[in-house]
Amino acid sequence: EAQVTQNPRYLITVTGKKLTVTCSQNMNHEYMSWYRQDPGLGLRQIYYSMNVEVTDKGDVPEGYKVSRKEKRNFPLILESPSPNQTSLYFCASSPTGRGLGAPQYFGPGTRLTVL
Amino acid sequence: GIQVEQSPPDLILQEGANSTLRCNFSDSVNNLQWFHQNPWGQLINLFYIPSGTKQNGRLSATTVATERYSLLYISSSQTTDSGVYFCAVKGGGSNYKLTFGKGTLLTVNP
Repeated sequence: EAQVTQNPRYLITVTGKKLTVTCSQNMNHEYMSWYRQDPGLGLRQIYYSMNVEVTDKGDVPEGYKVSRKEKRNFPLILESPSPNQTSLYFCASSPTGRGLGAPQYFGPGTRLTVL
Repeated sequence: GIQVEQSPPDLILQEGANSTLRCNFSDSVNNLQWFHQNPWGQLINLFYIPSGTKQNGRLSATTVATERYSLLYISSSQTTDSGVYFCAVKGGGSNYKLTFGKGTLLTVNP
């Protein structure tokens, strides 16, 4: 089944404890992206990747890191999480990020709470 | 950047009723998608519809790109249709970033 998977789905952690949220897609998509969703602020892009080894900042990249070493994986790293990073996180992928683009497919989401 | 406005912000229906959700956008768009966020938080793709009309079962969507709006129609609504419906667009630029509207919260009562 074609899908975007994220792990973990739920995570409660403490301030300063490094964590990684994994994202994987099995559709051979070039483009991958991370969003966070917060009440009143909607969905905002954190980072995106146009292809392997090509990443760039979105609208709210502070406090996050990403890497794209393989086409299928795009992990989101929080080196030193803080309470303001408590949010619902979505990974998304698309066949391409160029030109007119194509439909973007979202993972199931990761609910992160930072105490 | 591009602005996306959705209306109405909230909608309460009885099961079986029909509804129309609207999405206005401030600039020309290359892509437009409709999503349903279910009560568990998952974002479900409904339509990829940069222009024209599509139908999928009880749902259909129309985008009139030249007039900068899109409509989502839900017919014979069911309680499982409850949730938030988002319109998201891609404007110009090389980053395929979707800009989301604030959504329409739909509640379908039995």
